[in-house]
Amino acid sequence: DAMVIQNPRYQVTQFGKPVTLSCSQTLNHNVMYWYQQKSSQAPKLLFHYYDKDFNNEADTPDNFQSRRPNTSFCFLDIRSPGLGDAAMYLCATSRASGPGETQYFGPGTRLLVL
Amino acid sequence: ILNVEQSPQSLHVQEGDSTNFTCSFPSSNFYALHWYRWETAKSPEALFVMTLNGDEKKKGRISATLNTKEGYSYLYIKGSQPEDSATYLCAYPTGGFKTIFGAGTRLFVKA
Repeated sequence: DAMVIQNPRYQVTQFGKPVTLSCSQTLNHNVMYWYQQKSSQAPKLLFHYYDKDFNNEADTPDNFQSRRPNTSFCFLDIRSPGLGDAAMYLCATSRASGPGETQYFGPGTRLLVL
Repeated sequence: ILNVEQSPQSLHVQEGDSTNFTCSFPSSNFYALHWYRWETAKSPEALFVMTLNGDEKKKGRISATLNTKEGYSYLYIKGSQPEDSATYLCAYPTGGFKTIFGAGTRLFVKA
């Protein structure tokens, strides 16, 4: 089945220790998104790629970076995680842009910062 | 700042009960409204995308209505089953790539 895969499902890191979360898709979608969801809050868009074009949300901290080496893979790098970065990180894809486009999600990676 | 509100935050019902919850969104510059279901330990899955005022969509026991003039959508579940237990998210696209999500309604259905 075509899908969006996130690894790992749970990630524990230490305060200040760089961490990378990964996302892959078999849908061949043009757009990939990273969302951060803190407990009981709405998922918040961090950035997205349309093909190789990267778009950072204005309020995404500089501590967060992303890479998309090819259509299938996208990575979220947190350079120096703080305690406030503990959250669920969701990767999503869509075929194209447009308000009617459905997003397809991975199961998320839950990040714990010690 | 665009805001999408969902209520209630959580809901506990008995098997067989019918239930509904609300998503409120800005009524100006409306493009579409999405509903997603997110079961624990799984991926959020699309339920509906709604675009026209007065739209009503149905999938099995789940249906949704849309009022773009007043800025709300209702999600209804008829005869809730334990497998309906999940978080239901609504999502409001802003016209570009950005989608604003609500915080979700967490539904618990007790057998």
